[in-house]
Amino acid sequence: AQSVTQPDIHITVSEGASLELRCNYSYGATPYLFWYVQSPGQGLQLLLKYFSGDTLVQGIKGFEAEFKRSQSSFNLRKPSVHWSDAAEYFCAVGAPGTSYGKLTFGQGTILTVHP
Amino acid sequence: KAGVTQTPRYLIKTRGQQVTLSCSPISGHRSVSWYQQTPGQGLQFLFEYFSETQRNKGNFPGRFSGRQFSNSRSEMNVSTLELGDSALYLCASRAGEAYNEQFFGPGTRLTVL
Repeated sequence: AQSVTQPDIHITVSEGASLELRCNYSYGATPYLFWYVQSPGQGLQLLLKYFSGDTLVQGIKGFEAEFKRSQSSFNLRKPSVHWSDAAEYFCAVGAPGTSYGKLTFGQGTILTVHP
Repeated sequence: KAGVTQTPRYLIKTRGQQVTLSCSPISGHRSVSWYQQTPGQGLQFLFEYFSETQRNKGNFPGRFSGRQFSNSRSEMNVSTLELGDSALYLCASRAGEAYNEQFFGPGTRLTVL
């Protein structure tokens, strides 16, 4: 069974600083990987996804993520954080085949942005 | 295109009661998945329906059930509510059978007293 680990429960950065949120997954083959963001009281919004191909993927709101097979990682990055990026971020993994509709999520990383 | 809608947005029930939550997917989407989100357990997959058939089921007791109608709208039901069922219930829809992203609704916040 697949699993996802987000080692950092809470990260605080200053506005304008760079950001990296870590995500490690466990799966026997190449999984489908996602990053979602959730603002308080809201549903999840997809930031970016990796299915195959180029290991550096670009998403919305200036985010990017890099898939590293050797490290089983899919870290999310942003060069300059804005105050509006404060939210909770979830990494998720999906498996091909009949489990298309099932995502396994990490525990989430809460991002606080200081002015 | 309208997004995924969930009704009601907030619900308060007492232990032992049952509850039904509704999800309307994005127009044209045939798959609906349900997730439970709690502070302690995080986001956990409940089940997925595709073209009115349950495709996958998570590790939840039989008190949790669901169904999907011919118009792709889905409902989930929780019977004999327990305090631990208090959670945000999210549904997500996706377009087709092949792998693609899921779009989430705003959720239904269920409080069990």
